Amino acid sequence: QVQLVQSGAEVKKPGASVKVSCKASGYTFTSYDINWVRQATGQGLEWMGWMNPNSGNTGYAQKFQGRVTMTRNTSISTAYMELSSLRSEDTAVYYCITGTTGFDYWGQGTLVTVSS
Amino acid sequence: QAVVTQEPSLTVSPGGTVTLTCGSSTGAVTSGHYPYWFQQKPGQAPRTLIYDTSNKHSWTPARFSGSLLGGKAALTLSGAQPEDEAEYYCLLSYSGARQVFGGGTKLTVL
Repeated sequence: QVQLVQSGAEVKKPGASVKVSCKASGYTFTSYDINWVRQATGQGLEWMGWMNPNSGNTGYAQKFQGRVTMTRNTSISTAYMELSSLRSEDTAVYYCITGTTGFDYWGQGTLVTVSS
Repeated sequence: QAVVTQEPSLTVSPGGTVTLTCGSSTGAVTSGHYPYWFQQKPGQAPRTLIYDTSNKHSWTPARFSGSLLGGKAALTLSGAQPEDEAEYYCLLSYSGARQVFGGGTKLTVL
């Protein structure tokens, strides 16, 4: 079965960067796009962008342009989302998602806390 | 950027029927927005219920259905169960493969 396992919680200082990993199993990694979504505590869902693991092509939400980079390592079926210049408002749970429609299977989420 | 709107909260009686809607600031929602619906319970990751307006996953309970209604995407729950109490989010696709979530609807079964 399709499974996405994300890296563990992170605590970062303002201005730093964070890189979250998302290891896929149960399907051919390059077959489905991967989307990234985040959710601040008590808030709604926010789409950050997508990546095609086969080509490496990406598309980012305007809000994150210039601050987010989505990459992958196909040899280990893992996708990455790096967010730079962190600020307190970036404190959130970050999810990777995949599937034939792009939003079928969700990772368990990674809590990123930005605090001085 | 487009704004996607949902009812902040709705209440349904057990066994009752309720419709949640999802509108777009750019105009009528169409099948070309490929509407999705997600369910999220406290402390859990979201779960996808509906994709491409009305398609269900194998795990989607039959009591949930998706449609287009009055220029909006709609999620109808027929025969509400206590376990359906959750937050529901819609997602619309825009040009350039950009996706925008609605603010969510808190559904209470009471």
